[in-house]
Amino acid sequence: AQSVTQLDSHVSVSEGTPVLLRCNYSSSYSPSLFWYVQHPNKGLQLLLKYTSAATLVKGINGFEAEFKKSETSFHLTKPSAHMSDAAEYFCVVSRGGTYKYIFGTGTRLKVLA
Amino acid sequence: SQTIHQWPATLVQPVGSPLSLECTVEGTSNPNLYWYRQAAGRGLQLLFYSVGIGQISSEVPQNLSASRPQDRQFILSSKKLLLSDSGFYLCAWSGDSHNEKLFFGSGTQLSVL
Repeated sequence: AQSVTQLDSHVSVSEGTPVLLRCNYSSSYSPSLFWYVQHPNKGLQLLLKYTSAATLVKGINGFEAEFKKSETSFHLTKPSAHMSDAAEYFCVVSRGGTYKYIFGTGTRLKVLA
Repeated sequence: SQTIHQWPATLVQPVGSPLSLECTVEGTSNPNLYWYRQAAGRGLQLLFYSVGIGQISSEVPQNLSASRPQDRQFILSSKKLLLSDSGFYLCAWSGDSHNEKLFFGSGTQLSVL
């Protein structure tokens, strides 16, 4: 069965420093992987998705993620954090050929001035 | 353009009372439909998904049920609510191709007292 593990429930960074949000997945088949962001009192927004094309995926707002099959990881990064990046981030996996999307437990990102 | 409507936004119900949350999608046909529950520290838990009218897949054994009486209507129900049913419920839809983006409704905050 598919699953995702977000290794950090909370991450704090200073504005202007890099962001790393970690995600490991488990899937018996070639997975598709996504990152969603949820700002306070707002809906969920897709940041980026990986669907077996290029392993380095670029998303919105300067975020990107790299699919590493050997490490079963799909970590989200951004070179320089902005105050507006403070939000909760969810890593999501779906197995190819299914319609099930399994969410991780989320990582709350705090950006310090 | 496609829109998703979910109501009510908030609901306070006594233990043992019934529940009906409704979700409708406009501007698309044959969507895949989903019910998720979001709890602090637990991410989004997939409750039910549906790939067509009358086709419901249950992911977690629980006190809830779902129905899809029309192509773009998805209903979450319970005959008798428990305290543990409290939470934030999100409806979502995706296209009928695999591994597509999820579009979320604005959610229902359910408090069972």
